[in-house]
Amino acid sequence: QVQLVESGGGVVQSGGSLRLSCAASGFRFSRDGMHWVRQAPGKGLEWVTFIRHDGSNRYYADSVKGRFSISRDNSKNTLYLQMNSLRAEDTAVYYCAKSSQLPGALDYWGQGTLVTVSA
Amino acid sequence: QSVLTQPPSASGTPGQRVTISCSGSSSNIGSNTVNWYQQLPGAAPKLLIYSNDQRPSGVPDRFSGSKSGTSASLAISGLQSEDESDYYCAAWDGSLNGVVFGGGTKLTVL
Repeated sequence: QVQLVESGGGVVQSGGSLRLSCAASGFRFSRDGMHWVRQAPGKGLEWVTFIRHDGSNRYYADSVKGRFSISRDNSKNTLYLQMNSLRAEDTAVYYCAKSSQLPGALDYWGQGTLVTVSA
Repeated sequence: QSVLTQPPSASGTPGQRVTISCSGSSSNIGSNTVNWYQQLPGAAPKLLIYSNDQRPSGVPDRFSGSKSGTSASLAISGLQSEDESDYYCAAWDGSLNGVVFGGGTKLTVL
């Protein structure tokens, strides 16, 4: 069965950096696009970024453009999110999610990892 | 302010039918398919409806989706207590080049 396991969350000071990982199993990772979606405490879902199956195209929300970078290692079945210049408003649970073949449909989600940015 | 607009709350009694609306624009719902997600308390979101009206395997047929123009709806019939959850609509936005979500609707089963 499909499993997505995020790691790397924690507490970081404002202006700092953090790298999240998402270990994938149960499907052909190299064939599917992947997303990161975040959810601030008590708030709704916010899409963060997407990478195509082969890494050829990457898209970012305006709120993270220039600060966050998505990447993947298909040989390790792992997705990454490098987060730099972190701000208090980046505090959230970060989910990795597998893209279905249809744009915008995220068919499997991990359990999330909490990132807390302190002032 | 979310790109897609949903009512913040909805409610119904067991057995009732409830609908949740989702309004967008020509760059998202108007030109791409709509997906719905269910997020139970303390859990990760789960895909509930994809491609406007399709149910993934395992989703009860009490859940149905529809789309017309730049709006979409999620309907839940035969409401059950376990349906109490947050529901989000989403679609790809061709102008923003990303996925846009609604603000979420908290469904309460009275």
